Amino acid sequence: KAGVTQTPRYLIKTRGQQVTLSCSPISGHRSVSWYQQTPGQGLQFLFEYFSETQRNKGNFPGRFSGRQFSNSRSEMNVSTLELGDSALYLCASSAGTTDTDTQYFGPGTRLTVL
Amino acid sequence: AQKVTQAQTEISVVEKEDVTLDCVYETRDTTYYLFWYKQPPSGELVFLIRRNSFDEQNEISGRYSWNFQKSTSSFNFTITASQVVDSAVYFCALSELSSNTGKLIFGQGTTLQVKP
Repeated sequence: KAGVTQTPRYLIKTRGQQVTLSCSPISGHRSVSWYQQTPGQGLQFLFEYFSETQRNKGNFPGRFSGRQFSNSRSEMNVSTLELGDSALYLCASSAGTTDTDTQYFGPGTRLTVL
Repeated sequence: AQKVTQAQTEISVVEKEDVTLDCVYETRDTTYYLFWYKQPPSGELVFLIRRNSFDEQNEISGRYSWNFQKSTSSFNFTITASQVVDSAVYFCALSELSSNTGKLIFGQGTTLQVKP
């Protein structure tokens, strides 16, 4: 089975721009979670989607949004980029059959904001 | 409040030494799950183990073993006879059943360097 894939792997943007990151879960998985990883704050939960619905959300500003499509693929959008948004963005998929399924992570998208 | 603490920021050992990575957690839930993930330089988090709060049995998988003790809220990870390929950042994580669908709470991570 193919693992979680994320595109693009690297992105460079400037302040004020917006960016869209994509995540394709493991086949058959219906839940996708997003995390931000920075040296200062570590790994922080952004949000989780299941069956095209956001079920949970972390403490991030409204500039961070996401969506999930009927094929379980998910996108994450960050608008009006700030320097502090530079991070590794990781997506994880799980079966979604229980609230605490094991999450399997993709390789991440490294975003640099200049 | 839920929290995971990995007090060891960096550990350096020589190949073939045993090493234990500590993890202490806080939660008010009676049902929760604990995880360990490995993050090599490539960045991807690799799942190692999952444990639920009702199963305190220790587990061994090859050179890896885990010691779960509810009495001390700890879930420690031991690598026996470490190898250079074990060099990575290791994260302990907590998932609560009550209200945190799809959310993992991570510790700050322990960077393990295994020298030849």
